[in-house]
Amino acid sequence: EVQLVESGGAVVQPGGSLRLSCAASGFIFSKFWMHWVRQAPGEGLLWVSRIEGDGSGTIYADSVKGRFTISRDNAKNTLYLQMNSLTVEDTAIYYCARENYEIWHWGQGTLVTVSS
Amino acid sequence: EIVLTQSPGTLSLSPGERATLSCRASRSVVSRYFAWYQQKPGQAPRLLIYSASSRATGIPDRFSGSGSGTDFTLTISRLEPEDFAVYYCQQYGTSGTSPPVTFGGGTKVEIK
Repeated sequence: EVQLVESGGAVVQPGGSLRLSCAASGFIFSKFWMHWVRQAPGEGLLWVSRIEGDGSGTIYADSVKGRFTISRDNAKNTLYLQMNSLTVEDTAIYYCARENYEIWHWGQGTLVTVSS
Repeated sequence: EIVLTQSPGTLSLSPGERATLSCRASRSVVSRYFAWYQQKPGQAPRLLIYSASSRATGIPDRFSGSGSGTDFTLTISRLEPEDFAVYYCQQYGTSGTSPPVTFGGGTKVEIK
């Protein structure tokens, strides 16, 4: 069974940093592109970033480019999102998701709150 | 950027009624990589429809998807109490677009 479990969400002050993790199990992690998607309170879904299976290719939404870094450790079956220079607008639930061509599988999300 | 516009924003219906949700793209998208999700409060999005018209595993046949190009539709033939939720459309895989993945703003299906 495919499982994605996010962790690392917390309350952080504006300007601070946080690293999210997504532990994957039930599939060969290195074979799949992975994404981060976020959802601000009461808002819709917003794609954040994607990384290819071997970690060679990454892409970001304009709103996080230069501040967030997506990475993965295929030996640990774990996806990461390093978030720097956080602002209140980054407050959201962050979901990791596996892209398997036409099928996306999602984790349950982790809450990041940026507040002073 | 491919913008997905969902309508209506809110749909007020009674159990047993038919729901028709629309998603219009600002330019043609790849049907293979067009999906619909259901989301309930406090839960992650749940994949309903992929490739515009294929039901995901375990999704009841009262849910159906159709469309191509720029116009897509999600139909719930007879609303059950558990179907009242927010629905999102998603597209990805269209070459040369940035960002590569976009979502519609959502349609809330509420009990009338």
